[in-house]
Amino acid sequence: QQPVQSPQAVILREGEDAVINCSSSKALYSVHWYRQKHGEAPVFLMILLKGGEQKGHEKISASFNEKKQQSSLYLTASQLSYSGTYFCGTASMNYGGSQGNLIFGKGTKLSVKP
Amino acid sequence: KAGVTQTPRYLIKTRGQQVTLSCSPISGHRSVSWYQQTPGQGLQFLFEYFSETQRNKGNFPGRFSGRQFSNSRSEMNVSTLELGDSALYLCASSPGGWRDIQYFGAGTRLSVL
Repeated sequence: QQPVQSPQAVILREGEDAVINCSSSKALYSVHWYRQKHGEAPVFLMILLKGGEQKGHEKISASFNEKKQQSSLYLTASQLSYSGTYFCGTASMNYGGSQGNLIFGKGTKLSVKP
Repeated sequence: KAGVTQTPRYLIKTRGQQVTLSCSPISGHRSVSWYQQTPGQGLQFLFEYFSETQRNKGNFPGRFSGRQFSNSRSEMNVSTLELGDSALYLCASSPGGWRDIQYFGAGTRLSVL
């Protein structure tokens, strides 16, 4: 089941803040966040794991509500370099937790203007 | 450390043909996943290989297949190409698979005419 991201697109001025949300209908093991700039490969931002562990860039902030199967990515004091499409990927546990796969949402396009 | 390498970067094929795409993961990574990216659909999971075994498969027809070699390099094959197969195909490598950070290659842009 593909996670749902909101908003689909957002336009910011430099210095403004934004929140990108990711919601799943399945119980999740982890949520992953990636950013893709036009014509480039997606780049890792953050992993949030069930139980509270997080791995990611220091300047990136995110939350994971396990009960609601929701995650939010917080972009504060945005810079021009933040522009791109943000994808959340959700991992659900199958077969007793030994296997799973990462399913990505359709993305949120973020444009930061000077 | 070299990143994930995908070849070729661009391909043009006609309907009915078949195509093979290649992905060389980061050294030491045992997992390779493949994704299809089309405008508005995001990244759609095709399959994941770990130590030469397919661990997971997405909802794609049997025309899409893959394999992984002992050196972790992976190939994806699409047979009997359709116009709708036109997309950017991305591979991602990771040390352990879906629980880990995914390192993406730049992708292969496939155009089916």
